[in-house]
Amino acid sequence: GAVVSQHPSRVICKSGTSVKIECRSLDFQATTMFWYRQFPKQSLMLMATSNEGSKATYEQGVEKDKFLINHASLTLSTLTVTSAHPEDSSFYICSARPPQGSGRSTDTQYFGPGTRLTVL
Amino acid sequence: AQKITQTQPGMFVQEKEAVTLDCTYDTSDPSYGLFWYKQPSSGEMIFLIYQGSYDQQNATEGRYSLNFQKARKSANLVISASQLGDSAMYFCAMRVGLQGAQKLVFGQGTRLTINP
Repeated sequence: GAVVSQHPSRVICKSGTSVKIECRSLDFQATTMFWYRQFPKQSLMLMATSNEGSKATYEQGVEKDKFLINHASLTLSTLTVTSAHPEDSSFYICSARPPQGSGRSTDTQYFGPGTRLTVL
Repeated sequence: AQKITQTQPGMFVQEKEAVTLDCTYDTSDPSYGLFWYKQPSSGEMIFLIYQGSYDQQNATEGRYSLNFQKARKSANLVISASQLGDSAMYFCAMRVGLQGAQKLVFGQGTRLTINP
């Protein structure tokens, strides 16, 4: 079964609104989760690393005030796209890495099904 | 620079044949990990296989095997007896960074099409 879930799977919003995407680790408590963005016909690009109980670490070029990440519990991380614009339209996908002692390899990231965001 | 290169934008293979998807990597870290993920049209990323840089043997998972050639810095994915359901995008990825600050770097992907 699914190890990581995302909600919603698809969202369409008007320009200027904010959109929240949830990422849940279903099979283990994830101290570290990751957020990626994938434009059509391109590869995944890491946006930020989400650490439970601390601030996220953003990759170079990613605006932390635009893409707000909250990792408030060991099973939930949220990405909020603030004041979304058409250029933010993309496929957003999260992943979680199992901790030591979970019975799963700590080397592997397990991905959610992704959220397709369309900003009109 | 840490980089993954997949030189095959698209591959077309006849059903039941074996297929090799190429992946080369560049890193100066002595410890790293290499992954292959499958992304069908639905978008989810499905983990296929993992190879650690210190692993002595090539990784295998069912019909998937990873041809790890450390000196050449290549980590090709071999799919045996291909099936129609294998049609998808395939991404090679490398784990970089120290424990606690690790992240994945992805290649550009190869679109595999299995013909009946």
